[in-house]
Amino acid sequence: AQKITQTQPGMFVQEKEAVTLDCTYDTSDPSYGLFWYKQPSSGEMIFLIYQGSYDQQNATEGRYSLNFQKARKSANLVISASQLGDSAMYFCAMREPHTVVTGANSKLTFGKGITLSVRP
Amino acid sequence: EAQVTQNPRYLITVTGKKLTVTCSQNMNHEYMSWYRQDPGLGLRQIYYSMNVEVTDKGDVPEGYKVSRKEKRNFPLILESPSPNQTSLYFCASSYSGASYNEQFFGPGTRLTVL
Repeated sequence: AQKITQTQPGMFVQEKEAVTLDCTYDTSDPSYGLFWYKQPSSGEMIFLIYQGSYDQQNATEGRYSLNFQKARKSANLVISASQLGDSAMYFCAMREPHTVVTGANSKLTFGKGITLSVRP
Repeated sequence: EAQVTQNPRYLITVTGKKLTVTCSQNMNHEYMSWYRQDPGLGLRQIYYSMNVEVTDKGDVPEGYKVSRKEKRNFPLILESPSPNQTSLYFCASSYSGASYNEQFFGPGTRLTVL
């Protein structure tokens, strides 16, 4: 079963506007972490923001914020005041803890990514 | 500077010629992992290691080997590469296997197998 779903095939946003990138996840483990990574055309994976399953408040990091709705199992990334340099692929990922019981190996499970293009 | 390094960054090789992609981290991390990225599939885990001499298969381990003889190094070995192993490979490390630990990624290795 797909654990991370990113259904938006491609997103466009005007420079200086805000954009929301959607992510839904599925897990039965009460303890998990949600991560967003940015991958520019150069290929490297850049960590943007983290949200823990027990965190009461939505995470924020500069222009990035995470709209965490635990009951709906969604973790949408909000980028405020978009810049041309934000044009990239964005991946949502989930990490479950390593446990012998379930065999979970603490990997990051990635969605298929969303391409964001910022228009001048 | 805290980092994960991979070498080589780019490699073109031929079917059947054994190769090794090195990965090294300088953060004293226990957990290390290899992922491959293919268009439309996101990143998938190949192998991981919880600590020295402790390695296990991820989701797509066929055709790959790893070893973890030292804490800092986690090489990926392709004994007999095939064209379907053409991909972008990432090594990653984190302090532990806890779900709240960020995984730090290397710069990636673009491998082409002809």
